[in-house]
Amino acid sequence: QSALTQPASVSGSPGQSITISCTGTSSDVGGYNYVSWYQQHPGKAPKLMIYDVSSRPSGVSNRFSGSKSGNTASLTISGLQAEDEADYYCSSYTSISTWVFGGGTKLTVL
Amino acid sequence: QLQLQESGPGLVKPSETLSLTCTVSGGSISSSSSYWGWIRQPPGKGLEWIGTIYYSGSTYYNPSLKSRVTISVDTSKNQFSLKLSSVTAADTAVYYCARLKILTGYYVDYWGQGTLVTVSS
Repeated sequence: QSALTQPASVSGSPGQSITISCTGTSSDVGGYNYVSWYQQHPGKAPKLMIYDVSSRPSGVSNRFSGSKSGNTASLTISGLQAEDEADYYCSSYTSISTWVFGGGTKLTVL
Repeated sequence: QLQLQESGPGLVKPSETLSLTCTVSGGSISSSSSYWGWIRQPPGKGLEWIGTIYYSGSTYYNPSLKSRVTISVDTSKNQFSLKLSSVTAADTAVYYCARLKILTGYYVDYWGQGTLVTVSS
């Protein structure tokens, strides 16, 4: 299985909105509504931000939202804050009952 | 609150077998709505799925690692374990154990703190 494709980096100013894309295939992203997104700060374990494409766990800010179209999923962060600066990873369940991650996107808040 | 804790050697010699154990507390490893998995992250790089196990013993492995990976579960101890054979420097990584929620969605909702395993002679 190949890693999902994410941009290496994105950036935005405080208060702005950014979107991170995650492209897979019909065997993963396109075939299931089981895309999740994780935030990782340096030296920390990842934290679940979005699951099942667009659901938000309790305690995660509603500034974070997810969507999917075909084989591409997206994470949007609105009203950027300094604390949002981190690495973001998408993940999808696959047709062979495994999971696959994206390569990760470094978000810089300017 | 579910907690997961990795344990095992932090240094492994090339060609040997890496062995880690994850102890689950605050919940049962025999939950019907959970898989238990291992994920790794080489220094400065992204996350890689290693494999998952159900409490019944059913396993699913990353095809690229399948020939070297064994994941097992011990329900009596509320633990699951990872063995990775014939390691090389490319296996140096932070290894995370995790709980994967299933049935009502498929995602990782609990992570261990991670343990760094270095492969070096």
